[in-house]
Amino acid sequence: AQTVTQSQPEMSVQEAETVTLSCTYDTSESDYYLFWYKQPPSRQMILVIRQEAYKQQNATENRFSVNFQKAAKSFSLKISDSQLGDAAMYFCAYRRVPKLVFGKGTKLTVNP
Amino acid sequence: NAGVTQTPKFQVLKTGQSMTLQCAQDMNHNSMYWYRQDPGMGLRLIYYSASEGTTDKGEVPNGYNVSRLNKREFSLRLESAAPSQTSVYFCASSERTWDTQYFGPGTRLTVL
Repeated sequence: AQTVTQSQPEMSVQEAETVTLSCTYDTSESDYYLFWYKQPPSRQMILVIRQEAYKQQNATENRFSVNFQKAAKSFSLKISDSQLGDAAMYFCAYRRVPKLVFGKGTKLTVNP
Repeated sequence: NAGVTQTPKFQVLKTGQSMTLQCAQDMNHNSMYWYRQDPGMGLRLIYYSASEGTTDKGEVPNGYNVSRLNKREFSLRLESAAPSQTSVYFCASSERTWDTQYFGPGTRLTVL
């Protein structure tokens, strides 16, 4: 069964600093997609970034980047120059068609 | 372009009551989904519709029914609500089942 593990229930970072959120997953498939979603207090699930497993290059979206280690089944999210608006729950997800398999989330606090 | 919309945003029911959660998307997506989010957990798939005219069970379908009314709309019905169905419900849509899913703002449902 595919599982997604986020080992850090909570993290905190100072404004303008960099933080890395961890995610590991378990799969027997060779081709798959991974995602990070952000859930602010408004509850909206917002797509942050996605990674195709067949691509060796790590995905980046502005201040957000991933460190994808396929052999280790690791998919961490790095947030650079953290902003107050980055405070939220962050969920790692693995796509197993038709559904997404989610981790339990990491609550990120950004301190001014 | 509103994306995925859900109504209502909040609802309180008594045990045994019925209600329907509404979802609509304006992105011309073929596939739609219903997830639930319980405290301390990621989202779990209840039902999905791969394309107009089809619906299938997800991980946790018991106690729910769905209707894909047309390409835009996908409703979730609780026939006889139970306290175990207290949760936040998210609707999502994607171009196809293997494409990125985009989420609505969620409905917080409490069953007393």
